[in-house]
Amino acid sequence: DQQVKQNSPSLSVQEGRISILNCDYTNSMFDYFLWYKKYPAEGPTFLISISSIKDKNEDGRFTVFLNKSAKHLSLHIVPSQPGDSAVYFCAAPGLSGYALNFGKGTSLLVTP
Amino acid sequence: DTAVSQTPKYLVTQMGNDKSIKCEQNLGHDTMYWYKQDSKKFLKIMFSYNNKELIINETVPNRFSPKSPDKAHLNLHINSLELGDSAVYFCASSPPGRHNSPLHFGNGTRLTVT
Repeated sequence: DQQVKQNSPSLSVQEGRISILNCDYTNSMFDYFLWYKKYPAEGPTFLISISSIKDKNEDGRFTVFLNKSAKHLSLHIVPSQPGDSAVYFCAAPGLSGYALNFGKGTSLLVTP
Repeated sequence: DTAVSQTPKYLVTQMGNDKSIKCEQNLGHDTMYWYKQDSKKFLKIMFSYNNKELIINETVPNRFSPKSPDKAHLNLHINSLELGDSAVYFCASSPPGRHNSPLHFGNGTRLTVT
């Protein structure tokens, strides 16, 4: 049972524009969320996180927004760059606290 | 310096064989994990060890056995390999603490069972 869902398998954006990647979750007990970025033939790398006590967290070009009532979060990348082309995973710690539940990922392509 | 390293990167083997994947982390982390990314691209937790003790064991066939000789190593041994075991296996580690400890992943081992 997928508790973290990314319903868009792919997204294509022009360089310089905003990329918006979406994530939905089903478990209202989740209180912390993370985004990971993955290049081909590499492992996922941590990008940005947000606690449920906040509704926004910003780090440079990356901003994550959390809407708890909708059980929805989004990652905004602005301006998008070709080097941002990767698969982005949304994740939340499981109730054990020791492992992450991952979404299926969204493949972002930023074109020049 | 590679923080989480796993070997081999690629593993091609026949059904019925036994194989191992090794993982080492030099980050001083207490907790290590094995994740499986299947053909549908889902990243699923398989096992988690904290200070050499098993703390998470998801619904994984008994043919998969993790071994942690020390807290810097978590190896994965797979017996009697099946076609459905073909996937990319990722090792990861994290420091103590739940919320402020993102996972650090290795680059994965692509296992192909023929």
